[in-house]
Amino acid sequence: ETGVTQSPTHLIKTRGQQVTLRCSSQSGHNTVSWYQQALGQGPQFIFQYYREEENGRGNFPPRFSGLQFPNYSSELNVNALELDDSALYLCASSGMNRISGTGITGELFFGEGSRLTVL
Amino acid sequence: GNSVTQMEGPVTLSEEAFLTINCTYTATGYPSLFWYVQYPGEGLQLLLKATKADDKGSNKGFEATYRKETTSFHLEKGSVQVSDSAVYFCALRKAAGNKLTFGGGTRVLVKP
Repeated sequence: ETGVTQSPTHLIKTRGQQVTLRCSSQSGHNTVSWYQQALGQGPQFIFQYYREEENGRGNFPPRFSGLQFPNYSSELNVNALELDDSALYLCASSGMNRISGTGITGELFFGEGSRLTVL
Repeated sequence: GNSVTQMEGPVTLSEEAFLTINCTYTATGYPSLFWYVQYPGEGLQLLLKATKADDKGSNKGFEATYRKETTSFHLEKGSVQVSDSAVYFCALRKAAGNKLTFGGGTRVLVKP
């Protein structure tokens, strides 16, 4: 167990709806990143949050947005859901260099994911 | 851009067989390389990593060597067990930032 918890574990939405997924990071970790894993594919980087600000983004449209809270937990919001948004959404937490705000301090710890089905 | 290519599965083996999963990458600079494993119904777990050329990562009997000359990071295990049945992902990370670029995954099924 990694100490990263995600909720809900499964959910079903319809096209056009909005969804919020939640992630609690491992104790002591100040960085959260989100990945989308479509069925049978590798995870794709959505974005990363550090100190409550987006700190890197992959090739995803603006309807994918997020938040990070003072306790380092995070939310992923997806508006105007499309069928192709059906996937496993993974959250990963890690520590980040506090001085520069960049660089890597260690391993990414992944949660078990939230499986979203869009009908 | 950065990319990772790994052999497609599924790979079906008998217990105690030798496992190799090929992984090659494209990236500028000197990325760190990783193998992650995803057991059924679970999230990703780091299996092993290597941060510079010629480094060998190892864990739980699995090994992979960072080969910059061939831009490869092949995963090997000498004797697999049924419990090794999972999906294995090769990934890279550039020196700055935490973004991981994953390959498509290779499903491994080990039969008793």
